[in-house]
Amino acid sequence: QQQVKQSPQSLIVQKGGISIINCAYENTAFDYFPWYQQFPGKGPALLIAIRPDVSEKKEGRFTISFNKSAKQFSLHIMDSQPGDSATYFCAAILDQTGANNLFFGTGTRLTVIP
Amino acid sequence: EAQVTQNPRYLITVTGKKLTVTCSQNMNHEYMSWYRQDPGLGLRQIYYSMNVEVTDKGDVPEGYKVSRKEKRNFPLILESPSPNQTSLYFCASSERQFNYGYTFGSGTRLTVV
Repeated sequence: QQQVKQSPQSLIVQKGGISIINCAYENTAFDYFPWYQQFPGKGPALLIAIRPDVSEKKEGRFTISFNKSAKQFSLHIMDSQPGDSATYFCAAILDQTGANNLFFGTGTRLTVIP
Repeated sequence: EAQVTQNPRYLITVTGKKLTVTCSQNMNHEYMSWYRQDPGLGLRQIYYSMNVEVTDKGDVPEGYKVSRKEKRNFPLILESPSPNQTSLYFCASSERQFNYGYTFGSGTRLTVV
């Protein structure tokens, strides 16, 4: 059972446009919601993360919007650039036992067209 | 440089031949974990370790073993690999408590024929 559902599976955006990736979860015990960026041949790298008591977090062109009541969160990439072309994973961390378990979405392959 | 090092990067093996994928981190992290990445499924946790000699199953542990005899090393062992274990494997580490800054290795692409 997928703990975190992610959409779309793939996304094509023109340079300068806004890329939006959505995720949903069911388990209200999740403690943190990070986003990871993965380039071909590399491991995922932390991009930005948010706590569930915050509705929005912005770092440069990347913004997480968090809707606790709807159990949804999304990543917005403003002014998308070809260098942003990568696979993006949303995730959720469950730390009830101190195990720091990380649950990933299925990934979104973003292509930014010049 | 702070990093997680996995070896080998690529491995082709035959069904039933035992293999080990090594993972080492130089950040003194307590928490280490193994994931497999498959198309359309994202990353799924295989095993994790909260500290030396403390390991536990993740979501997809069948067919895998791990050990954590030293803090820095967390090898993944496939005693009798099967074709359904063909996948891209990642090792990751983090500080233990409430830290979402997982550091991932570069991956090991395993093919079992």
